[in-house]
Amino acid sequence: AQKITQTQPGMFVQEKEAVTLDCTYDTSDPSYGLFWYKQPSSGEMIFLIYQGSYDQQNATEGRYSLNFQKARKSANLVISASQLGDSAMYFCAMREGLFTGGGNKLTFGTGTQLKVEL
Amino acid sequence: NAGVMQNPRHLVRRRGQEARLRCSPMKGHSHVYWYRQLPEEGLKFMVYLQKENIIDESGMPKERFSAEFPKEGPSILRIQQVVRGDSAAYFCASSPGLRDSLPYEQYFGPGTRLTVT
Repeated sequence: AQKITQTQPGMFVQEKEAVTLDCTYDTSDPSYGLFWYKQPSSGEMIFLIYQGSYDQQNATEGRYSLNFQKARKSANLVISASQLGDSAMYFCAMREGLFTGGGNKLTFGTGTQLKVEL
Repeated sequence: NAGVMQNPRHLVRRRGQEARLRCSPMKGHSHVYWYRQLPEEGLKFMVYLQKENIIDESGMPKERFSAEFPKEGPSILRIQQVVRGDSAAYFCASSPGLRDSLPYEQYFGPGTRLTVT
């Protein structure tokens, strides 16, 4: 089974609108972290936001927020007030075993290509 | 404060040659990770190293691939006798350390695009 599933290969959004990028995950570990990265066409990986499995509140970082629904095992990224510069590939990732020494490797989804239009 | 540095940014090798990819972590970071991104796919974990130690190599192909992070100098990912299927982007990431209570984020380098002809 896929540990990270991103079901939207491509998304379009109008400038200044909000957009939600979906991410579901699969783990039996009680301690884990969820990350979102942005990869523009230039190729670098840019960290956006992090959510820990024990965090009580949903994470927010500027225009990015993470809609964390633990029971549904989903960690959707919400981008508010989209800008042309938000056009990029977005990856959801998970690190398991935060408190059990499970290592530090990230497992990535296949990504969602977001295009922001005028 | 320089970020994670990788070189070369682009590397072209003929089948059968060796490829050496270098990664210098951020200042103060002692943990290095290598990931591979095949075309149209997400990143796949390859190996996790600390200085002079391989901590987790569960994602490394069994043959032709090796990695090191010496006491001095950059981390090296080495691919011997490259084949066309090795063509990919190879990303290095670093983190300051592993503490059980803090999930340090990984800072990624710009990647090395390897093309095997």
